[in-house]
Amino acid sequence: EVQLVESGGGLVQPGGSLRLSCAASGFTFSSNWMQWVRQVPGKGLMWVSQINGDGSSVYYADSVKGRFTVSRDNSKNMLYLQMNRLRVDDTAVYYCASDLLILGGDPRDYWGQGTLVTVSS
Amino acid sequence: QSVLTQPPSASATPGQRVTISCSGSASNIGSNYVMWYQQFPGTAPKLLIFTNNQRPSGVPDRFSGSKSGTSASLAISGLRSEDEADYYCATWDDGLSGRVFGGGTKLTVL
Repeated sequence: EVQLVESGGGLVQPGGSLRLSCAASGFTFSSNWMQWVRQVPGKGLMWVSQINGDGSSVYYADSVKGRFTVSRDNSKNMLYLQMNRLRVDDTAVYYCASDLLILGGDPRDYWGQGTLVTVSS
Repeated sequence: QSVLTQPPSASATPGQRVTISCSGSASNIGSNYVMWYQQFPGTAPKLLIFTNNQRPSGVPDRFSGSKSGTSASLAISGLRSEDEADYYCATWDDGLSGRVFGGGTKLTVL
């Protein structure tokens, strides 16, 4: 069974830093793209970043470029999002999600339960 | 302002068919596959449609997706009360080099 479990969210002051983690299991983590998507409570989804299987290719939304860094540790099946120079408008639930996985012939993606990041003084 | 444009709301009565549109451009929908998600309050999004019109197993065939040019649509037939949720389209944007989501459509089953 595929599981994605985020952690690391919390309250941080503007300008501060936070590192989110996502523990993956149930699939070949190192072979798959992974992404971070966020959602302000009551608002829509916003893609934040994604990284390929070996970490050599990364993409970021313009609003986080230069402040956030996505990385992964395939030996631990872990995905990370280092968030620096946080702003109030970074407040959101952050989801870790897989790319389309084909397990048992059934393509689908998988999402974690989300972790809330609140940026406030 | 989302790159992909969806109507903010839609409504219909049980048993009816409803269609949710998603309008984009040549750099996103026009050149990439579209996915559709369903989301209930307080939960993670669930994939309904991938590669424009394919359903993961377990998704009822009442849900169907289509794409034409720079627009895509999600149709739900035989509407049920449990379909009341938020729906999002998503695709890759070649110009932005990033994934983009529609603003979401809140579906109300009257």
